[in-house]
Amino acid sequence: LAKTTQPISMDSYEGQEVNITCSHNNIATNDYITWYQQFPSQGPRFIIQGYKTKVTNEVASLFIPADRKSSTLSLPRVSLSDTAVYYCLVGAHENFNKCYFGSGTKLNVKP
Amino acid sequence: DAGVTQSPTHLIKTRGQQVTLRCSPKSGHDTVSWYQQALGQGPQFIFQYYEEEERQRGNFPDRFSGHQFPNYSSELNVNALLLGDSALYLCASSSPAVGADTQYFGPGTRLTVL
Repeated sequence: LAKTTQPISMDSYEGQEVNITCSHNNIATNDYITWYQQFPSQGPRFIIQGYKTKVTNEVASLFIPADRKSSTLSLPRVSLSDTAVYYCLVGAHENFNKCYFGSGTKLNVKP
Repeated sequence: DAGVTQSPTHLIKTRGQQVTLRCSPKSGHDTVSWYQQALGQGPQFIFQYYEEEERQRGNFPDRFSGHQFPNYSSELNVNALLLGDSALYLCASSSPAVGADTQYFGPGTRLTVL
């Protein structure tokens, strides 16, 4: 399994920037790094995906160092509605059966 | 642009029964994967269908089976239900032709086994 390690939980306040780091020491050459957001009793929602360096979209940034053994999801100016579980997933389409979601990071945004 | 849809939303069954869950992939996607998510845990990969064949399989018993239709929609069948099969079942779609490594998930089907 392409195993990942994330903090179990994080607390933040509205308006702050939140950075969630994921470790993936055994990432393979073909693997991408994908982050998902999940609210209770809903399916995971795609946030961002990257292979190396930095990727930015309208909701988040993803920082990937040169060795690709970790990645950091950055959420700018979080709001209460960003309270959710965030999953880091490492893998490629030919090995989805070896991807590992883990338990994710529970982000709690306070007013 | 329709996203991934799943039916039914909720389902209650008793031990030993059989269940069928359905999934329609996102428009333009031809690959469907199924996941099981127990309460408080991350999703676990069950299997993946592409071109109407099972292409990848996770560590699930053969009580779990599936099917993909020519229109790319898919079914997940679970036989001889156990209490431990109670979970949120998620369908995800992707396409080798467009962003193959990105999966988009449906809202899930909540299965309760009594």
